[in-house]
Amino acid sequence: GENVEQHPSTLSVQEGDSAVIKCTYSDSASNYFPWYKQELGKGPQLIIDIRSNVGEKKDQRIAVTLNKTAKHFSLHITETQPEDSAVYFCAARPNTGTASKLTFGTGTRLQVTL
Amino acid sequence: GAVVSQHPSRVICKSGTSVKIECRSLDFQATTMFWYRQFPKQSLMLMATSNEGSKATYEQGVEKDKFLINHASLTLSTLTVTSAHPEDSSFYICSARPVRQVSYEQYFGPGTRLTVT
Repeated sequence: GENVEQHPSTLSVQEGDSAVIKCTYSDSASNYFPWYKQELGKGPQLIIDIRSNVGEKKDQRIAVTLNKTAKHFSLHITETQPEDSAVYFCAARPNTGTASKLTFGTGTRLQVTL
Repeated sequence: GAVVSQHPSRVICKSGTSVKIECRSLDFQATTMFWYRQFPKQSLMLMATSNEGSKATYEQGVEKDKFLINHASLTLSTLTVTSAHPEDSSFYICSARPVRQVSYEQYFGPGTRLTVT
């Protein structure tokens, strides 16, 4: 089955700096890679996703890059703000059927300091 | 759009009782819903996949008789924790995928904090 590794487990940046979180996956059949933000006591919120036919996707201050050959993808947050502080999870999934499952990384706790 | 709700958000129950958690997709239909469990400072652990009108598929190690799942309609799935024990205390989160020809996105509910005393 799929295995997703995520690094770092914790990340502290100063407000205005950039943050990068990296994930690797093992199953070459995976073709959908979402990123979720989870605030304390809440459910995960989909913030950006990328499909395997695209190498990069950007949405305002966040971007995701995908390298299918190396089987890794990354989340980039620029101009970080205190409200970006949360736990971020990457995930991977083969889109082979309605019940195909997401495999999550272990999460990165991002702390944006003033 | 793409809102998933859960009810209740928090529940405290006594050991031996049963608790039902509802998961609703508010503005879309979902053929498939997923139930996750999350321990403090850990990732999400998939418990079962729920398909509308059919039996749920449980992950290895998850007791189907303890965690009863019903997916009665395209917008509602329920998880019932039967004969709850303190070790069942956890954060339970549901997720839903929209019914589309090619459905990629998966949206999560706000979670239900279960405490068994």
